[in-house]
Amino acid sequence: QVQLVQSGAEVKKPGASVKVSCEASGYTITSFFIHWVRQAPGQGLEWVGILNPKSGVTSHAQKFQGRVTMTRDTSTSTVYMDLSSLTSEDTAVYYCARGTPALDYWGQGTLVTVSS
Amino acid sequence: EIGLTQSPATLSLSPGERATLSCRASQSVSIYLDWYQQKPGQAPRLLIYDASNRATGIPARFSGSGSGTDFTLTISSLEPEDFAVYYCQQRTDWSFGPGTKVDIK
Repeated sequence: QVQLVQSGAEVKKPGASVKVSCEASGYTITSFFIHWVRQAPGQGLEWVGILNPKSGVTSHAQKFQGRVTMTRDTSTSTVYMDLSSLTSEDTAVYYCARGTPALDYWGQGTLVTVSS
Repeated sequence: EIGLTQSPATLSLSPGERATLSCRASQSVSIYLDWYQQKPGQAPRLLIYDASNRATGIPARFSGSGSGTDFTLTISSLEPEDFAVYYCQQRTDWSFGPGTKVDIK
C-alpha cells in the first residue's frame, strides 16, 4: 500500500534551517509529483511547493522564494524539503503529499517549532 | 495568484441534515478544483478531485459540482464522522481556501 513516512519533530532557533524528509513506499516515486503543504497551529492549509522526483524540477509559492529547497534521492525513494532563515511564523506541521495530480496520499506530518 | 474563498466559515448542522459548502475562485480554474476533509490531529484526506469525482473509498453521500469559478461540495446526509473542516484547493497555482468547519448543532 502507498505510504509516505516523514521524519520526526524538530525544534529550531530563529535564523536556522530545517530539513524534513518524506520516504515513499508502495509505488515508484518517479511516477508522481510530491507536494509540501504546511499548517500553522489552529490555522488552515498552506501550499509550499512541488517537486518532480523524476527530473528534480521544483516550483514553490512566491512567499517562500529564496528560502525553500526541495530535493530527492530516488535510490531511497525519499524527498526532502529544506527551509532556511526560520522565524516564529514558520512554526507549523509540514506535510508531504503525492500528487496524482490531486493530493491523494499524505504523510503523517512533521511539527517544526521555531523558538528562541 | 488565484485566491479561493469558502463559505460559510462555519456550518452548524445536525446528523442527518444536508450540508452545502461553497468555494469560489478569483479566476477560472476550469474543473481543476479538489476538496479535502481534515479532522483534528490528522492529515487531510482527499474527497473530490476534478470538481466532481469522488476519490477512492469516499462514500456516495459526498458529491461535488461546479466549474470555472464556482464550486460546491454537498454532503447529502451528515454522519457523525463527517463533522470536520473542509478545504478546497485549485490546481493552477495550488492555493487552498481558508476552510469551512462543519460542527454539530
